[in-house]
Amino acid sequence: DARVTQTPRHKVTEMGQEVTMRCQPILGHNTVFWYRQTMMQGLELLAYFRNRAPLDDSGMPKDRFSAEMPDATLATLKIQPSEPRDSAVYFCASGSNYGYTFGSGTRLTVV
Amino acid sequence: GENVEQHPSTLSVQEGDSAVIKCTYSDSASNYFPWYKQELGKRPQLIIDIRSNVGEKKDQRIAVTLNKTAKHFSLHITETQPEDSAVYFCVESGTSYGKLTFGQGTILTVHP
Repeated sequence: DARVTQTPRHKVTEMGQEVTMRCQPILGHNTVFWYRQTMMQGLELLAYFRNRAPLDDSGMPKDRFSAEMPDATLATLKIQPSEPRDSAVYFCASGSNYGYTFGSGTRLTVV
Repeated sequence: GENVEQHPSTLSVQEGDSAVIKCTYSDSASNYFPWYKQELGKRPQLIIDIRSNVGEKKDQRIAVTLNKTAKHFSLHITETQPEDSAVYFCVESGTSYGKLTFGQGTILTVHP
């Protein structure tokens, strides 16, 4: 089965450090989402891209978060500087119009 | 903007019973409604979806219904099994280039 690959699976970092999460979408998928999941807020959309162009990043704190797709095989989500409240599971999902597939997520802990 | 209300937040049933989860949405232009199942520590997985030109869809023990007039849709699981225990999310996708808006989730527990 085709998979969305996310790295790293787990990340523990100190407050103030830069964190970069990576996602390899399924080949041929033209839409990529970044979601953040916490117990309190559920699944929150941070940003998404279609054909590598950013369509909506209104859910993302602009002062510290950035999302890019340098090419069709890689999407990145960067936090700089990281804060303890950023601790969450970050999911990437890819698809083409319908039927989106999620990656296994990156569990981020900021101490 | 898009908004999805999901009920109940928790649901506990005995094995073999049916489970129903309901969602309402606000964007009348929404046209795609997938359901995701998330087991503890795992990724959300698509289990079934329905599009706005269809009122009902069934896949083995799972069925979804859609009422566009009332702007609500439901997930029905029959003959529940312990392995159905998970968090279920309803999702709506409208005109915003396919953006997925998730409900808050329902924790389903099936007791053997």
